[in-house]
Amino acid sequence: DGGITQSPKYLFRKEGQNVTLSCEQNLNHDAMYWYRQDPGQGLRLIYYSQIVNDFQKGDIAEGYSVSREKKESFPLTVTSAQKNPTAFYLCASSIGVASGNTIYFGEGSWLTVV
Amino acid sequence: SQELEQSPQSLIVQEGKNLTINCTSSKTLYGLYWYKQKYGEGLIFLMMLQKGGEEKSHEKITAKLDEKKQQSSLHITASQPSHAGIYLCGEYSGGSNYKLTFGKGTLLTVNP
Repeated sequence: DGGITQSPKYLFRKEGQNVTLSCEQNLNHDAMYWYRQDPGQGLRLIYYSQIVNDFQKGDIAEGYSVSREKKESFPLTVTSAQKNPTAFYLCASSIGVASGNTIYFGEGSWLTVV
Repeated sequence: SQELEQSPQSLIVQEGKNLTINCTSSKTLYGLYWYKQKYGEGLIFLMMLQKGGEEKSHEKITAKLDEKKQQSSLHITASQPSHAGIYLCGEYSGGSNYKLTFGKGTLLTVNP
């Protein structure tokens, strides 16, 4: 089936550790995004990528890093520099970033710092 | 920066009742998206509106964008328990720097 696959669904991290969230899509989309969702705050954009080997910071990029080596994959690393990493993370993709393109979301990953 | 205000923040209705959720922007909307989310799950795309006065429907859900392109409404007719969830509006800000900004969401509960 076509879609966006995020893994793992649940992840626990000790303070001071980096952790990488996986996002894979088989929709042949050029653009991919990472959002963070906190209770009562809606979604906030972390990073986005319009094309392979290119990515841009969103509103809350500090403490996060990404790579886009393949069209299908856009992993997000939550580094130890992220002060409050416990949240629900959502990956998304679209044909392009222009208005009018439907943006599809994965099922999300829960990250808890213990 | 452009912000989206959703109202109400939460809504409880009896099954079979109609309801409306509003999404208001401080500036002109280039593109307005509506999504539905179950808690702890991904967002499901409902509709996207671009033109002033545009209206789209899917099953019992209708979304409208006003002529000034600053406000959108989502209307559910004869609500069912399956409509329960979080409804999010998102807007594309336009220009060369991509940015899709979301409202904080409206939590809908439908009591049988």
